[in-house]
Amino acid sequence: DAKTTQPPSMDCAEGRAANLPCNHSTISGNEYVYWYRQIHSQGPQYIIHGLKNNETNEMASLIITEDRKSSTLILPHATLRDTAVYYCIVKSFGNEKLTFGTGTRLTIIP
Amino acid sequence: GAVVSQHPSWVICKSGTSVKIECRSLDFQATTMFWYRQFPKQSLMLMATSNEGSKATYEQGVEKDKFLINHASLTLSTLTVTSAHPEDSSFYICSARPGEGQGLPGSYEQYFGPGTRLTVT
Repeated sequence: DAKTTQPPSMDCAEGRAANLPCNHSTISGNEYVYWYRQIHSQGPQYIIHGLKNNETNEMASLIITEDRKSSTLILPHATLRDTAVYYCIVKSFGNEKLTFGTGTRLTIIP
Repeated sequence: GAVVSQHPSWVICKSGTSVKIECRSLDFQATTMFWYRQFPKQSLMLMATSNEGSKATYEQGVEKDKFLINHASLTLSTLTVTSAHPEDSSFYICSARPGEGQGLPGSYEQYFGPGTRLTVT
């Protein structure tokens, strides 16, 4: 699976949109971009995934660049409960394993 | 739907003893379950993959005789840390992958449990 690069930490004001970037320049054609988050001392929580089209669900939006070498997770109206470590993972759809990198520690500021 | 539980949520044991952690899929059948370990301020590391009724597949560097995994049913997998030592103190997290045709929301593949914090004294 392709390697991903994320900033180690970010702050965002409560109520504002949080934009979390992820670089995955070696992504191959059959690999998806997945986002999970882990709130302190809890198990990871799935957020969203996509292949090449932008995706939106009740939690977030995922914007993938046309060349698929990077993506951005958008939390449209961040709340204090969105404070967590966010992991961007690239893997092929049929591959069972999730390889977690170091992620981005997002802190929502009141 | 798609809830995974772990028991216990935390445990303290003495060095040399064994500890069993349970992972249950509460409202779906899991053909595959995964066990992860997470040390403080570090990311999750996959330890092993277990399929119901067969032997677990361990990641490189994980001692299969020390971390015994049993996936005896489609809703239960257990991880036993044998002869635990202080360096085994960690946060252990399981995840479960549903079998096909269970009508679960979304198409993501793993549902995670809340984790078990093990402290070996």
